[in-house]
Amino acid sequence: KQEVTQIPAALSVPEGENLVLNCSFTDSAIYNLQWFRQDPGKGLTSLLLIQSSQREQTSGRLNASLDKSSGRSTLYIAASQPGDSATYLCAVRRGGATNKLIFGTGTLLAVQP
Amino acid sequence: GAVVSQHPSWVICKSGTSVKIECRSLDFQATTMFWYRQFPKQSLMLMATSNEGSKATYEQGVEKDKFLINHASLTLSTLTVTSAHPEDSSFYICSARREGIEKLFFGSGTQLSVL
Repeated sequence: KQEVTQIPAALSVPEGENLVLNCSFTDSAIYNLQWFRQDPGKGLTSLLLIQSSQREQTSGRLNASLDKSSGRSTLYIAASQPGDSATYLCAVRRGGATNKLIFGTGTLLAVQP
Repeated sequence: GAVVSQHPSWVICKSGTSVKIECRSLDFQATTMFWYRQFPKQSLMLMATSNEGSKATYEQGVEKDKFLINHASLTLSTLTVTSAHPEDSSFYICSARREGIEKLFFGSGTQLSVL
């Protein structure tokens, strides 16, 4: 059974700092991995999607890496801003025809002005 | 980008009543939609996969008779929480897959509070 874990559970940093969020999964047979952002009481916004054959994806100040063999992914946020404050979730999609996503436990990020 | 609309955003109901939540894909057709539940400070748990024109596929431990899912058209899936109880209070989120696009698109969620 696939389990997805995120460390740390919560993180508080001063504005301008670079930071790394971690995601680990137990079954390396994944199709892809996605990073999402969730604001309080809101739905999810997709940030980055990495296919199983890819090593990383970049979008603006965000960079996500994937090491499938070790079951790890990281989300790097450069020059953090107060507007980045949110819960960040990673999710893996299983291999095969299914579109099911297995979500991680989330990291609550607070960027202090 | 693809837009998924979910209504209502929040609902408060008495114990024993039924609540219907709608999930619509506004600018694309979605043959498959997914329903998730999220308890406070926890991650999203998949409840069921909704397939247009056929029965939903429920995850282990999710009661089919309590959480009725209907996917009658390519743009609409509904989740009905029947005979709701306080323990059903949660944040429910739907998502939809657009053909040819890997990413899933999520609704804004529904906060259900059962008194």
